[in-house]
Amino acid sequence: GAGVSQSPRYKVAKRGQDVALRCDPISGHVSLFWYQQALGQGPEFLTYFQNEAQLDKSGLPSDRFFAERPEGSVSTLKIQRTQQEDSAVYLCASSPTGTGAEKLFFGSGTQLSVL
Amino acid sequence: GQQLNQSPQSMFIQEGEDVSMNCTSSSIFNTWLWYKQEPGEGPVLLIALYKAGELTSNGRLTAQFGITRKDSFLNISASIPSDVGIYFCAGPMNSGGSNYKLTFGKGTLLTVNP
Repeated sequence: GAGVSQSPRYKVAKRGQDVALRCDPISGHVSLFWYQQALGQGPEFLTYFQNEAQLDKSGLPSDRFFAERPEGSVSTLKIQRTQQEDSAVYLCASSPTGTGAEKLFFGSGTQLSVL
Repeated sequence: GQQLNQSPQSMFIQEGEDVSMNCTSSSIFNTWLWYKQEPGEGPVLLIALYKAGELTSNGRLTAQFGITRKDSFLNISASIPSDVGIYFCAGPMNSGGSNYKLTFGKGTLLTVNP
């Protein structure tokens, strides 16, 4: 596709369930980012990949959050034992370069609701 | 950490009016970015600013990089209904010399009445 694709668009989980969110970046993009956007807030950085290497995971809120990009293209953000405070939109972004935050292309996000 | 304060939080204007919003920080930024987010979509970059004092336009949008490097302004002229959305300012966190992590403001919600 032409843009960053995320699936599912919406996910409802019961507290305690595990969830997996998928991101298909723009083909050939080196960098991939995950951001979390709570209601009424701006996006907040979670983690950053350059190709398959996770270079920064400092924004992950807890060890329940795990991200991977094993082949340097598709990425999955996994949240274990979901809590209500995990409810947010999870945005994936990709960039053609290894640096330069201004070249980010965002997907439409996955809206996660934890009941 | 670096925080960006946007004002106003929301604006409700008539079609054709000009709009001005701003973003301030207690820290210096070397790059200022302005994004627009429509409902159900991710943010889309509108304008990028790289030098203090820089004034850049993109159609009806004009943004300025403040001289102190601690603020930025976005103006929209002759607003139209499709300008509706949330406008975010953002800048790289510059932690450890890297510039890939963005910090975002809380956004300005713009509503345009036809």
